[in-house]
Amino acid sequence: GAVVSQHPSWVICKSGTSVKIECRSLDFQATTMFWYRQFPKQSLMLMATSNEGSKATYEQGVEKDKFLINHASLTLSTLTVTSAHPEDSSFYICSAHRDAYGYTFGSGTRLTVV
Amino acid sequence: AQSVTQPDIHITVSEGASLELRCNYSYGATPYLFWYVQSPGQGLQLLLKYFSGDTLVQGIKGFEAEFKRSQSSFNLRKPSVHWSDAAEYFCAVGATSGTYKYIFGTGTRLKVLA
Repeated sequence: GAVVSQHPSWVICKSGTSVKIECRSLDFQATTMFWYRQFPKQSLMLMATSNEGSKATYEQGVEKDKFLINHASLTLSTLTVTSAHPEDSSFYICSAHRDAYGYTFGSGTRLTVV
Repeated sequence: AQSVTQPDIHITVSEGASLELRCNYSYGATPYLFWYVQSPGQGLQLLLKYFSGDTLVQGIKGFEAEFKRSQSSFNLRKPSVHWSDAAEYFCAVGATSGTYKYIFGTGTRLKVLA
């Protein structure tokens, strides 16, 4: 149990466009989901914490208007990178938390902005 | 402030040799502690976790870790490394209440020599 599906696995988009990344908990309801960003050969940096039905809490330095997070249900959170630029190219990983299951990570999304 | 330190950025071991990856943390109380492994371009896989109880924790793939409160450490060990263990390893600290946020160490890249 406790599987998190992240989609898409990779995406290439043009500069100025927006990209949506989905994170779904397949077999459990996640009270909290997290979004991380990972630069090449670096660690994961927490971007924001989202709770179902409420506004996401962003970490310091993360632009909330740039990285829109929606947690519409207990099984789905989305991250939209708006007006993407090459510097937004990165590996984005979501994680879902539910007390009984702890944390489960998605497989990540490689975003390349050209 | 919470922090996680992985002192070794790179480690190279020969196949069959023993392995120890270091992790030190700073946290106000006893945190939840985790070790994850990440293969290139992939998400994170949980190796093991410590919440409470026995300070020696067994994980998947033959890994174990020992929580030492006095040293604020949670080192990962494996008695005999396999070539397939080559990957990036992340130590993480999770809050025991409230936001359940993770903080990741900077990672240790393991290279295994045949």
